[in-house]
Amino acid sequence: DTEVTQTPKHLVMGMTNKKSLKCEQHMGHRAMYWYKQKAKKPPELMFVYSYEKLSINESVPSRFSPECPNSSLLNLHLHALQPEDSALYLCASSQRGGRSSGNTIYFGEGSWLTVV
Amino acid sequence: GQSLEQPSEVTAVEGAIVQINCTYQTSGFYGLSWYQQHDGGAPTFLSYNALDGLEETGRFSSFLSRSDSYGYLLLQELQMKDSASYFCAVREVNGSSNTGKLIFGQGTTLQVKP
Repeated sequence: DTEVTQTPKHLVMGMTNKKSLKCEQHMGHRAMYWYKQKAKKPPELMFVYSYEKLSINESVPSRFSPECPNSSLLNLHLHALQPEDSALYLCASSQRGGRSSGNTIYFGEGSWLTVV
Repeated sequence: GQSLEQPSEVTAVEGAIVQINCTYQTSGFYGLSWYQQHDGGAPTFLSYNALDGLEETGRFSSFLSRSDSYGYLLLQELQMKDSASYFCAVREVNGSSNTGKLIFGQGTTLQVKP
């Protein structure tokens, strides 16, 4: 069982809706990530939070807005999405970020998003 | 920039041994890792090599040669449940950022047949 918990597991939203994806980890990890994954493709990095500060934004459109309320929580706010944004959104965490980080990141089960 | 290459598909039979190769080009190398992802599931960490040589974890082993920018994942005594996608990944450390990015290869789909 993953120790990174994501909700909801499935989400269907219209292009004018506002919704949020939530992620929680209690492993004491200080780096958290959002990835997007399309079918038969590798995960694509969207955002990285390191010690609760946004450290990487991979030129993600502003209709995706991340938020890190504390070291255990990570949200992804969604607004005015397009059908091509339909994908699996994966939250992940790692013990540390930056140069001291390893290659072990722990993924949540993901949120399947469908934009209609 | 960085890139990783791995075969797109591999097929093997139950009980066999299969090797999935990965070659990489990166600026700043901090080890090679492998992830497994079943259809409909999330990627799960399998192994990590920071130094040259072989790391063994049960039926799975991973090898790294930094001089050749090459690694492989070896799966022994294949079982049907090993059918999944396997991704190699490297972490890129960006000097202007305090968090590294994990860059994934395109993935290898392993199909295990009876």
